[in-house]
Amino acid sequence: GENVEQHPSTLSVQEGDSAVIKCTYSDSASNYFPWYKQELGKGPQLIIDIRSNVGEKKDQRIAVTLNKTAKHFSLHITETQPEDSAVYFCAATLDTGRRALTFGSGTRLQVQP
Amino acid sequence: DAGITQSPRYKITETGRQVTLMCHQTWSHSYMFWYRQDLGHGLRLIYYSAAADITDKGEVPDGYVVSRSKTENFPLTLESATRSQTSVYFCASSARTGVYEQYFGPGTRLTVT
Repeated sequence: GENVEQHPSTLSVQEGDSAVIKCTYSDSASNYFPWYKQELGKGPQLIIDIRSNVGEKKDQRIAVTLNKTAKHFSLHITETQPEDSAVYFCAATLDTGRRALTFGSGTRLQVQP
Repeated sequence: DAGITQSPRYKITETGRQVTLMCHQTWSHSYMFWYRQDLGHGLRLIYYSAAADITDKGEVPDGYVVSRSKTENFPLTLESATRSQTSVYFCASSARTGVYEQYFGPGTRLTVT
């Protein structure tokens, strides 16, 4: 089955700096890669996703890049703000069949004001 | 527009008792999922359902039972709760075609004493 590894487990940045979180996946058949943000006491919230036919996707301060050959994808947050502080999860799945997500272990991002 | 809801939000039970966690979605999504979240493990799939009356095991199904008689509901039952089932449980749903995003409920924090 799919295995997703995520690094780093914790990340502390100064407000206004950029943050990068990296994930690798094992199953070359996976073709959908979402990123979730989880705030304390809440469920994961989808913030951006990318499909295997696209190399990069951007939404305001958030971008995701995908390298299918190397089987890794990354989340980039620019101009970080204190409200970006949360736990971020990457995930991977094949969008047919059971379509269940395999998650990375999460990155706790702390943005220092 | 309630989206996806879970009940109860918090539950304390004793070892050996049966517990049912409820999940309800108002989008008529075909797919529904149960995940558990534990420190160091991220989110792991317990069971999923592709449609009413269609369910299948995920990564960690032992000790859990699900049913899906109606599209909007997907209850998760712990038949005889054990301390190892102390966790936060998340329900999610996804449409069958077109978009593949999974939307998560707020979670149920379950403690087994």
